[in-house]
Amino acid sequence: IQLTQSPSFLSASVGDRVTITCRASQGISTYLAWYQQKAGKDPKVLIYAASTLESGVPSRFSGSGSGTDFTLTISSLQPEDFAAYYCQQLNSYPLTFGGGTKVEIK
Amino acid sequence: QVQLVESGGGLVKPGGSLRLSCAASGFTFSDYYMNWIRQAPGKGLEWVSSISRGGSTIYYADSVKGRFTISRDNAENSVYLEMISLRADDTAVYYCARSYGAYSYFDSWGQGTLVTVSS
Repeated sequence: IQLTQSPSFLSASVGDRVTITCRASQGISTYLAWYQQKAGKDPKVLIYAASTLESGVPSRFSGSGSGTDFTLTISSLQPEDFAAYYCQQLNSYPLTFGGGTKVEIK
Repeated sequence: QVQLVESGGGLVKPGGSLRLSCAASGFTFSDYYMNWIRQAPGKGLEWVSSISRGGSTIYYADSVKGRFTISRDNAENSVYLEMISLRADDTAVYYCARSYGAYSYFDSWGQGTLVTVSS
């Protein structure tokens, strides 16, 4: 299953609302997770089951979607949110990740 | 707290082999699937392999099938990745991560170990 993320690069300002999309090549129900990866660090899960916020993750992060179309939304971008974001499908093997979205400061 | 620590990375020539280890602590290791994921320099994440709690069920990415072998030792709280016939495109940071089931997200990751395949 291929995952297509868009955009691949995003330039935004602190306080902006940011939306990242992830499209699956076939239906995956809600077997989707979102990860954040800061430069030189390991990825951290933000959202699982498409819309469930991982414990400890700020509520400005939210996820939605099912089937083939998913979104990750950051309601008000904070300085610590500048990072790369990846979606991952867990519906079937081989597990796959989206190509990533790099969020940079405008 | 949950800790995953990878080791065994380094510089290896094309065609060579390497064994990566991931030592786990802070949780009941045998309750979790374990996974390897890699990231080539400047690139995105690529899932490599997964192993079930008891080691009886194993999955591989097509790109490594027949060359990489995942295994685990629940007595030692460790998961391994044996890599042979290494190629330049295997160069990456290799992460281990845990998941509660075969179709569960990866809730904890190690810091990664760098494998460089070059002559």
